[in-house]
Amino acid sequence: IAGITQAPTSQILAAGRRMTLRCTQDMRHNAMYWYRQDLGLGLRLIHYSNTAGTTGKGEVPDGYSVSRANTDDFPLTLASAVPSQTSVYFCASSPGLAGTDEQYFGPGTRLTVT
Amino acid sequence: GQNIDQPTEMTATEGAIVQINCTYQTSGFNGLFWYQQHAGEAPTFLSYNVLDGLEEKGRFSSFLSRSKGYSYLLLKELQMKDSASYLCAVLDSNYQLIWGAGTKLIIKP
Repeated sequence: IAGITQAPTSQILAAGRRMTLRCTQDMRHNAMYWYRQDLGLGLRLIHYSNTAGTTGKGEVPDGYSVSRANTDDFPLTLASAVPSQTSVYFCASSPGLAGTDEQYFGPGTRLTVT
Repeated sequence: GQNIDQPTEMTATEGAIVQINCTYQTSGFNGLFWYQQHAGEAPTFLSYNVLDGLEEKGRFSSFLSRSKGYSYLLLKELQMKDSASYLCAVLDSNYQLIWGAGTKLIIKP
């Protein structure tokens, strides 16, 4: 693994199903983030984690949950998917805690909820 | 509310210079980032400004005026590979990034 990876690359999901998007980084970065990107809108922060064991809510957290059991992994779970959660999801990480470092992004997961 | 404004789309010619503007109104300011995003790919970091003035990095330069809530990204000697979206993002008082919708730059030969 080099950098930050996400799985799956894309997924079609029936409404009401549960889904976990995976994110792993091997850079030993402290902070990790989940964003969604929709056409015509900027990236929107869903949840973040400043360090292992802690998580926080971003701008659009409803319908999503995260955990940070260790430094490397930061999975995002949709408990019961709805069509409005159709989006491209990016995981990102940064070395520091203050947010002033650049963020490194994974390749994204394209999710379609039908 | 918090707001980041960028032009939706710009067109420029290969070899020319283009300036992409970004204006912002946010609750606090702890710096401004520019990222590049090619279609279907992840954003990649270009620059970070926290003090007023111009920072140059090769063909790319970024300018910040905190008093005006304004930044621009200047791209010189444009190449076809510069065709991408350019994202402006401001780090607010909670140290969370607020992102603009991005400017799609189209380079014509």
